[in-house]
Amino acid sequence: GQSLEQPSEVTAVEGAIVQINCTYQTSGFYGLSWYQQHDGGAPTFLSYNALDGLEETGRFSSFLSRSDSYGYLLLQELQMKDSASYFCALSGGYQKVTFGTGTKLQVIP
Amino acid sequence: EAQVTQNPRYLITVTGKKLTVTCSQNMNHEYMSWYRQDPGLGLRQIYYSMNVEVTDKGDVPEGYKVSRKEKRNFPLILESPSPNQTSLYFCASIRTGAVGEQYFGPGTRLTVT
Repeated sequence: GQSLEQPSEVTAVEGAIVQINCTYQTSGFYGLSWYQQHDGGAPTFLSYNALDGLEETGRFSSFLSRSDSYGYLLLQELQMKDSASYFCALSGGYQKVTFGTGTKLQVIP
Repeated sequence: EAQVTQNPRYLITVTGKKLTVTCSQNMNHEYMSWYRQDPGLGLRQIYYSMNVEVTDKGDVPEGYKVSRKEKRNFPLILESPSPNQTSLYFCASIRTGAVGEQYFGPGTRLTVT
């Protein structure tokens, strides 16, 4: 099976940079995705890494290293609205998708 | 507007009373999936469908059924709900050609007493 581990909580200051790590165990996968979920809301897609390296989308970047079974989401210029839960997810193609348990990010002034 | 819709958004029911949660997407996506979300456990996949009449079990399929008779609809059926199925349910579809990019519906909060 597949499993992913993320820190349960992270706190960071408004305007700063924060990195949310995700380590995983799998026998094979197509890529690693990241989702944001505000309290009471649905997950929304942020980023996807099919290949090793860094993907940048505005203030958000995501990184994948298959050799280290590791990825991270980097949020820059933190804003209060970035307070949310962040999930990494392994995609086994169009088949099983396994999510991590999520990291609750609190942005403080 | 491209979206995934779910109904109902909130449901309180009693043990054993069959219910269906509907899910529909207007993006012509082939892949759809159902998840449940419980505190501390993240999202867990219940069932997924790669196309019409093609469905398969996810990690937690027990107590659930699905069908995919049309591309746009993917209902979740609980034939005999039990209290341990009290949860927040999300339907999702994947943009064709973008394997890691899922679009989620707004969620259905189900309480089984």
